[in-house]
Amino acid sequence: DAGVIQSPRHEVTEMGQEVTLRCKPISGHNSLFWYRQTMMRGLELLIYFNNNVPIDDSGMPEDRFSAKMPNASFSTLKIQPSEPRDSAVYFCASRGTYNEQFFGPGTRLTVL
Amino acid sequence: GESVGLHLPTLSVQEGDNSIINCAYSNSASDYFIWYKQESGKGPQFIIDIRSNMDKRQGQRVTVLLNKTVKHLSLQIAATQPGDSAVYFCAPGNSGNTPLVFGKGTRLSVIA
Repeated sequence: DAGVIQSPRHEVTEMGQEVTLRCKPISGHNSLFWYRQTMMRGLELLIYFNNNVPIDDSGMPEDRFSAKMPNASFSTLKIQPSEPRDSAVYFCASRGTYNEQFFGPGTRLTVL
Repeated sequence: GESVGLHLPTLSVQEGDNSIINCAYSNSASDYFIWYKQESGKGPQFIIDIRSNMDKRQGQRVTVLLNKTVKHLSLQIAATQPGDSAVYFCAPGNSGNTPLVFGKGTRLSVIA
């Protein structure tokens, strides 16, 4: 298995631009999680889905952030408009029937 | 909500020595705990887990100790190697498809 796949791995954009991060979970996993990691705040949960349904989005910082999971094999996290304080590494993770969450390699976002 | 604290944000050990990374948690309802290792530029990776009905679990060169009375767990790494240099997270979890909660992590540096 290829594991959790995220794209792009790096994204540099200018303030005000729309950013879309993509995630392909491990096949057969029914839970998907989006985390953001910064030095100051550590690893924060943004939103998670069970069976493609958003369960808890209380970690989404603002209305500028939105996430979708149109099917079991794909999810997106969108930031519109982006701001410099959104710069961070964004991780997607998926989980199957056991407790372990498998993380992707992350997308390093820099907003200038 | 859950809070996870770490006693030491950084830990430096000599190669070949044993390392002990500590973690305190607040939710007494947590029924399992996972340790993750995050190397530079990568996503967190599973090391070992322990269920709340256990007080010790051993893996390859790693041992987890759980003390539910004081809500504390530790990760012991035997004969620490340069490849063990990373940030280590403990993540308490609850059965029922809820996400893992992460603290800020402990950075382990191995001195050759």
